[in-house]
Amino acid sequence: SQQGEEDPQALSIQEGENATMNCSYKTSINNLQWYRQNSGRGLVHLILIRSNEREKHSGRLRVTLDTSKKSSSLLITASRAADTASYFCATDTGRRALTFGSGTRLQVQP
Amino acid sequence: GAGVSQTPSNKVTEKGKYVELRCDPISGHTALYWYRQSLGQGPEFLIYFQGTGAADDSGLPNDRFFAVRPEGSVSTLKIQRTERGDSAVYLCASSPKRLADTDTQYFGPGTRLTVL
Repeated sequence: SQQGEEDPQALSIQEGENATMNCSYKTSINNLQWYRQNSGRGLVHLILIRSNEREKHSGRLRVTLDTSKKSSSLLITASRAADTASYFCATDTGRRALTFGSGTRLQVQP
Repeated sequence: GAGVSQTPSNKVTEKGKYVELRCDPISGHTALYWYRQSLGQGPEFLIYFQGTGAADDSGLPNDRFFAVRPEGSVSTLKIQRTERGDSAVYLCASSPKRLADTDTQYFGPGTRLTVL
């Protein structure tokens, strides 16, 4: 079963704009991770945020985590056409197996 | 260095047949995971190996699914009596299992299984 739900399911923006994706989950977690997937194949790890962290940055990525609301957001700043992909949040509850959300499909128009 | 590799990249089979999907993890990674991803959905966990043993197989949908990792490296996912509902992309991931709260999983490109 899917633990997380991403919002929105699909997002279309212009190059240079910021893209924000949200993720909600149901149970307590050790960490939350964001992955990117192109063309329905292999996933690429983007960033991991631990349960005791509130915000993390990596390049043009900014992730926030609110454990009281069981939610996270991924912000991609100054988006590029190459950012077009599906983005998934995944939670690690300590079982080590990741539980993924259903994903946000991002389309960046050049 | 080399990433996780999976073979075949595509597999088409007929209902009722047996299939094997192979995963080569990153060298030195002790943890190996199998996930299944249906169209338009996120990956769903199937099984996790730590070394040679299955540490968590709670995601296997039924007894037609089985996986092995006999030498603690390469793993094979085996599906007996395939059904059309088994059609999906099967993803493998590995991790070095360092600190539990910061362990990143590295995914392979997946095997797309189509059961006709």
